[in-house]
Amino acid sequence: KAGVTQTPRYLIKTRGQQVTLSCSPISGHRSVSWYQQTPGQGLQFLFEYFSETQRNKGNFPGRFSGRQFSNSRSEMNVSTLELGDSALYLCASSYGGVLNTEAFFGQGTRLTVV
Amino acid sequence: SQQGEEDPQALSIQEGENATMNCSYKTSINNLQWYRQNSGRGLVHLILIRSNEREKHSGRLRVTLDTSKKSSSLLITASRAADTASYFCVEAGGTSYGKLTFGQGTILTVHP
Repeated sequence: KAGVTQTPRYLIKTRGQQVTLSCSPISGHRSVSWYQQTPGQGLQFLFEYFSETQRNKGNFPGRFSGRQFSNSRSEMNVSTLELGDSALYLCASSYGGVLNTEAFFGQGTRLTVV
Repeated sequence: SQQGEEDPQALSIQEGENATMNCSYKTSINNLQWYRQNSGRGLVHLILIRSNEREKHSGRLRVTLDTSKKSSSLLITASRAADTASYFCVEAGGTSYGKLTFGQGTILTVHP
């Protein structure tokens, strides 16, 4: 069974640009959530999608958005990039959400904003 | 912040010794999960303990949960150098659905 796949693995962007990250969950998993990891703030929840609907959102500005497709694949977009957006972005998939089961994480996308 | 706290923040032991990590959490949980993160394998789920369970075992791992004190502990027995990683206590509760609330983690170093 293939794991969670995130692309690309590394990205370098310039301030003001926008970026789109992709996540393919484990087959059969319908919940996809996104996290930002930085040395200062640790792992912070961004949002969660289930069957193409956003069910939960963390405390991030509107520049951070996401969506989920009918095949459960998800993308997150960050517009007007700031230096502080440099982080490891992790995607996690679970069957129905983590209230009852564990989450499986991808290897992450390392975003550097210069 | 709803993040819990892990104790200690860093732990250094010799191979073969046991390692105990504690965490306190703040919300009313459905379950508590422990994850491990290292550079090689990324963030990996270790064990899930439900709010109505008090203790759970998985291989060399033992997790306890005390909901009255909102605390949990992870014991790794007979540690190995490969156990070197950051360990996170993670809350899943309420209507969190896909939201996991991570603590700051415990950095475990196991010396060969």
